[in-house]
Amino acid sequence: SQELEQSPQSLIVQEGKNLTINCTSSKTLYGLYWYKQKYGEGLIFLMMLQKGGEEKSHEKITAKLDEKKQQSSLHITASQPSHAGIYLCGADKGNNRLAFGKGNQVVVIP
Amino acid sequence: DTAVSQTPKYLVTQMGNDKSIKCEQNLGHDTMYWYKQDSKKFLKIMFSYNNKELIINETVPNRFSPKSPDKAHLNLHINSLELGDSAVYFCASSQGWGLAGIQETQYFGPGTRLLVL
Repeated sequence: SQELEQSPQSLIVQEGKNLTINCTSSKTLYGLYWYKQKYGEGLIFLMMLQKGGEEKSHEKITAKLDEKKQQSSLHITASQPSHAGIYLCGADKGNNRLAFGKGNQVVVIP
Repeated sequence: DTAVSQTPKYLVTQMGNDKSIKCEQNLGHDTMYWYKQDSKKFLKIMFSYNNKELIINETVPNRFSPKSPDKAHLNLHINSLELGDSAVYFCASSQGWGLAGIQETQYFGPGTRLLVL
């Protein structure tokens, strides 16, 4: 079964600082999704990566998938309080069913 | 306009009761899903439906019975609720269900927080 490890489990950063979180798979990733979850809310889709070496950016968030397609990183530049939340990576385990990691909790201190 | 909506947002009930959660999507998607997020925040897929037909049941107990009256709705009925059913249940939808390996982004609802006492 698809196993996704997310690290670090939690991260506290000062506003304005950069941060990186990681998602590592035990198997080759054929579709890797990043979502953000705020307490009491649903999951907000951020980005989807499919090809080895692929990189996508949206506003201050950049996600990369390594060449071997087993690790993805999410980098936030100049973090803001609005970036706080739990970041979940999800992998397609077939028929578009997503298996998720346990999440990276990000806290941004003003 | 809310893309994927769920009702109720909160549900508190006694063990042994039967309850339903409703989900609606206005994205025109063909595929809908139910996920369960347990107390450790671990999010796991339960069911996926395509055009009202069950595609996959992820070995969920048969106390859980999804029903799709049309492709915009996927409801979840739970019989004989147990303490372990307490969780947040998320509905999601996507355009398709990944035929031929095509990746289809899933859009999630806000979740229904179920507490079984």
